[in-house]
Amino acid sequence: SAVISQKPSRDICQRGTSLTIQCQVDSQVTMMFWYRQQPGQSLTLIATANQGSEATYESGFVIDKFPISRPNLTFSTLTVSNMSPEDSSIYLCSVDSGTGVYGYTFGSGTRLTVV
Amino acid sequence: GEDVEQSLFLSVREGDSSVINCTYTDSSSTYLYWYKQEPGAGLQLLTYIFSNMDMKQDQRLTVLLNKKDKHLSLRIADTQTGDSAIYFCAPQPNSGYALNFGKGTSLLVTP
Repeated sequence: SAVISQKPSRDICQRGTSLTIQCQVDSQVTMMFWYRQQPGQSLTLIATANQGSEATYESGFVIDKFPISRPNLTFSTLTVSNMSPEDSSIYLCSVDSGTGVYGYTFGSGTRLTVV
Repeated sequence: GEDVEQSLFLSVREGDSSVINCTYTDSSSTYLYWYKQEPGAGLQLLTYIFSNMDMKQDQRLTVLLNKKDKHLSLRIADTQTGDSAIYFCAPQPNSGYALNFGKGTSLLVTP
């Protein structure tokens, strides 16, 4: 199955600033998914990122707040812009490693705290 | 979108069996996954079942699928303290689409 390297693993940021999270996959994948996991909550899909096209955002998430880049088939970034304490969450990227046995692989997550 | 429901908490004694239940709404789900999340860690694929199966056994894990009732369960035999974690049910709507997650069931195993 695919292996994802996600960084940073954690960060503490000042409100009003931006943080860019990177995910590097060890194989080429068509779609990458970005999720948010708020404290004590489940995973909520932010957007789906295809290479060469604009990301598709879920209801409640907008490109100005969460711009995503997908420059090639192995890499993607998610930026959390103009942060507020409400953005404190774990952010995870995910890829489809091939359904069934391998399922979907997740990065180790970025634990963001906004102060 | 799909709704996935799970009970939030389960507490069992070490050595007992644990059963975590999940209901979902999308009948077109092809694969249905169970993920485990330990405190401070990422998501680990635990097991899965294909939609044309009604049972799958993998060592201490047994997955039961009732497609008619859209009900999925995960049974952990001889539960150990290391099994304490949050377990997420995640049906896959279609190949290449993002997984839908339940709220997760927090399993606490006591000695």
